[in-house]
Amino acid sequence: TQLLEQSPQFLSIQEGENLTVYCNSSSVFSSLQWYRQEPGEGPVLLVTVVTGGEVKKLKRLTFQFGDARKDSSLHITAAQPGDTGLYLCAGAGSSNTGKLIFGQGTTLQVKP
Amino acid sequence: DVKVTQSSRYLVKRTGEKVFLECVQDMDHENMFWYRQDPGLGLRLIYFSYDVKMKEKGDIPEGYSVSREKKERFSLILESASTNQTSMYLCASSFLNDGYGYTFGSGTRLTVV
Repeated sequence: TQLLEQSPQFLSIQEGENLTVYCNSSSVFSSLQWYRQEPGEGPVLLVTVVTGGEVKKLKRLTFQFGDARKDSSLHITAAQPGDTGLYLCAGAGSSNTGKLIFGQGTTLQVKP
Repeated sequence: DVKVTQSSRYLVKRTGEKVFLECVQDMDHENMFWYRQDPGLGLRLIYFSYDVKMKEKGDIPEGYSVSREKKERFSLILESASTNQTSMYLCASSFLNDGYGYTFGSGTRLTVV
């Protein structure tokens, strides 16, 4: 069974601080996505990484896929209150069915 | 703007009622999914469908059934609602064999009393 473990589960920081969220597995994934979910809404796709070692940037967010395609990280620079939400990583497994494996999520609170 | 639409944002039902949650997508996606989301438990897959009239059980199918008569519509049915089915229900869709991510609906917050 493929599993994705996210850490930390909760993060509360002040505006302007930097943070990193990790997503780890012992399994190889063909691709990995990051989503952000605001309270009362569905998750929204932020990025997909496909190639081992790939780095993608989305404004102040930097996403990295591990060389072995077993892990990923999300780094936020100079966090803002608008970054508050639940961050989910999800991996596409080897079965190639389109079914994703989700991590448990990281709840981020950015205080003004 | 492409989207997944869930019929209700909030729903309150009584124990024992039959409950229908509807989901419609306009992206011609083959795959459709139903998840429930509970604090501390993350997203748990209930059922998914990769084609019309096709369905597969997810991790927690007990107490639920699904229907997919048309490609764009995927319904979740609670045969006899119970209080432990109080949850946030999320529908999602994607292209077949596409590891490029899901499009989620806004969710239905179901309360069973």
